[in-house]
Amino acid sequence: DTEVTQTPKHLVMGMTNKKSLKCEQHMGHRAMYWYKQKAKKPPELMFVYSYEKLSINESVPSRFSPECPNSSLLNLHLHALQPEDSALYLCASSQEAGYSPLHFGNGTRLTVT
Amino acid sequence: QKEVEQNSGPLSVPEGAIASLNCTYSDRGSQSFFWYRQYSGKSPELIMFIYSNGDKEDGRFTAQLNKASQYVSLLIRDSQPSDSATYLCAVNMGVTSYDKVIFGPGTSLSVIP
Repeated sequence: DTEVTQTPKHLVMGMTNKKSLKCEQHMGHRAMYWYKQKAKKPPELMFVYSYEKLSINESVPSRFSPECPNSSLLNLHLHALQPEDSALYLCASSQEAGYSPLHFGNGTRLTVT
Repeated sequence: QKEVEQNSGPLSVPEGAIASLNCTYSDRGSQSFFWYRQYSGKSPELIMFIYSNGDKEDGRFTAQLNKASQYVSLLIRDSQPSDSATYLCAVNMGVTSYDKVIFGPGTSLSVIP
């Protein structure tokens, strides 16, 4: 069983929709990450939160908006996405950003129509 | 030069053999090195992490780190068909972007019974 929980497992949305991906961990980790993974490619870093503050934004388009309400929760708000944004979105957490191993959730499979 | 590179696959080894996976990284300030296994359609699963030069063993897995050569490897002894997966090397970036954990392109391993 994964200790990082992502919801929903699957999401289909139109290009005009607004939706949110959610991630939760109860391991007391202080860093949380969003990665995007396309088929047969490695995970690509999007955002890092460390102690609830955004520390890394990998020049992600503004149609992706991260939010970290508290140390256990991480959201990714989606608006006006493009079909090429369809991918597996992975949330991860670690004890300390950059230093400690990342623990991944099962991911949300997003399809933009 | 890409930040994290891995030996191109796919790599095929017979059951019971040693599989050797290699990774090089560009940032001399990197401090944390991780190996993940990813089965098709699943999220990455942590196998090993290493911080210091030398070898670190865990069961059938050995991680080797040489910071002077900017090289990290993973050896899998007594390879099993269940080890068939994509192996991802991940490295944190140096002092200026310490929180960033970047993945290499992955090496696909196939263990032939």
